[in-house]
Amino acid sequence: SQQGEEDPQALSIQEGENATMNCSYKTSINNLQWYRQNSGRGLVHLILIRSNEREKHSGRLRVTLDTSKKSSSLLITASRAADTASYFCVQGGKLIFGQGTELSVKP
Amino acid sequence: DAGVIQSPRHEVTEMGQEVTLRCKPISGHNSLFWYRQTMMRGLELLIYFNNNVPIDDSGMPEDRFSAKMPNASFSTLKIQPSEPRDSAVYFCASRKIMGLAGDTDTQYFGPGTRLTVL
Repeated sequence: SQQGEEDPQALSIQEGENATMNCSYKTSINNLQWYRQNSGRGLVHLILIRSNEREKHSGRLRVTLDTSKKSSSLLITASRAADTASYFCVQGGKLIFGQGTELSVKP
Repeated sequence: DAGVIQSPRHEVTEMGQEVTLRCKPISGHNSLFWYRQTMMRGLELLIYFNNNVPIDDSGMPEDRFSAKMPNASFSTLKIQPSEPRDSAVYFCASRKIMGLAGDTDTQYFGPGTRLTVL
């Protein structure tokens, strides 16, 4: 299966705290992508990390990739209420999605 | 760019009726995907096209579902006859294949069509 599996399924934090979400996958990858979905909306691409990269930053987002463990993590620093959404990791050209991590940031 | 456009945004129909969902991908994109999202099953890939040709339709649930892409700027997903269990949000996404494998390319999602079958 090319499905990514996110962990935890749900995460609730206070505004200003950091949020860390993890992703595990089973097959070898060329890249891994993270998407965000706000309630009732379409998915928005956040960041892509290639298999030869170990870490990547984009604003308040930091993504790491460990191909030996087949895992990735997404860190959102200084979280805001607007970060409340579901987050998905995705691998492969067909982008098969897991269940996602539902992040709730309380003001 | 207007992004991926889907219509209608909401559709309520009765069981047994035909439903047609429409998608206009981003201009210049050559790959299009149809997904379905429900609470129970999450986000499922139904079918995708490269250069208007269906590549993988293994996710299409059954013969009641069909998808077409007559040209690079338009695709339809049809359900005939519709059933209550088809109620879901249907997303269309497009991307531009850059590399040979095409798997490094970001997908851009439309806002979705919320389908309710009574």
